[in-house]
Amino acid sequence: KAGVTQTPRYLIKTRGQQVTLSCSPISGHRSVSWYQQTPGQGLQFLFEYFSETQRNKGNFPGRFSGRQFSNSRSEMNVSTLELGDSALYLCASSQTGGGARTEAFFGQGTRLTVV
Amino acid sequence: AQSVSQHNHHVILSEAASLELGCNYSYGGTVNLFWYVQYPGQHLQLLLKYFSGDPLVKGIKGFEAEFIKSKFSFNLRKPSVQWSDTAEYFCAVNAKAGTALIFGKGTTLSVSS
Repeated sequence: KAGVTQTPRYLIKTRGQQVTLSCSPISGHRSVSWYQQTPGQGLQFLFEYFSETQRNKGNFPGRFSGRQFSNSRSEMNVSTLELGDSALYLCASSQTGGGARTEAFFGQGTRLTVV
Repeated sequence: AQSVSQHNHHVILSEAASLELGCNYSYGGTVNLFWYVQYPGQHLQLLLKYFSGDPLVKGIKGFEAEFIKSKFSFNLRKPSVQWSDTAEYFCAVNAKAGTALIFGKGTTLSVSS
């Protein structure tokens, strides 16, 4: 069974640009969550999608958005990039997410560097 | 809102020493609890999980954790660490009511041989 796949693995963008990251969950998983990982803040929750609907949202500005497609693949978009957006962005999938008795499986992440 | 606190930012141990990493969460309702590990250059992997039942749970690689409901704690333990346990460890919680999985800031464990 293939794991969670995130593309691209590395990105370098300039301040003010926008970026789109992609996540393919494990087959059969319907919940996809996104996290931002930085050395100082650890893993901060961005949002969770389930069946194409945003179910939970973290405390990030509106420049961060996402969506989920009917095949459960998800994309995350960051507009008007700032230097502080440089981070490892992690995607996690689970069968149902939320408070169910399921664990989340993580991808390798996309390392975004904003210059 | 839920939050998770990990008390130790960086722990340094010698091989064969015992390990205990603290984790406390704040949430008034019923929760699911997890410990994840991130080895250098690798993705996050699940060490162990607690959903209900026996509060002492065993995970992979000899790790165990104890859920103490009255203390809102889920501490991770290992009787004898190995050099290969060098990694970052994250405690995570989600509410059974359906909130997102929230992580602590992580504890870096360095084990010297």
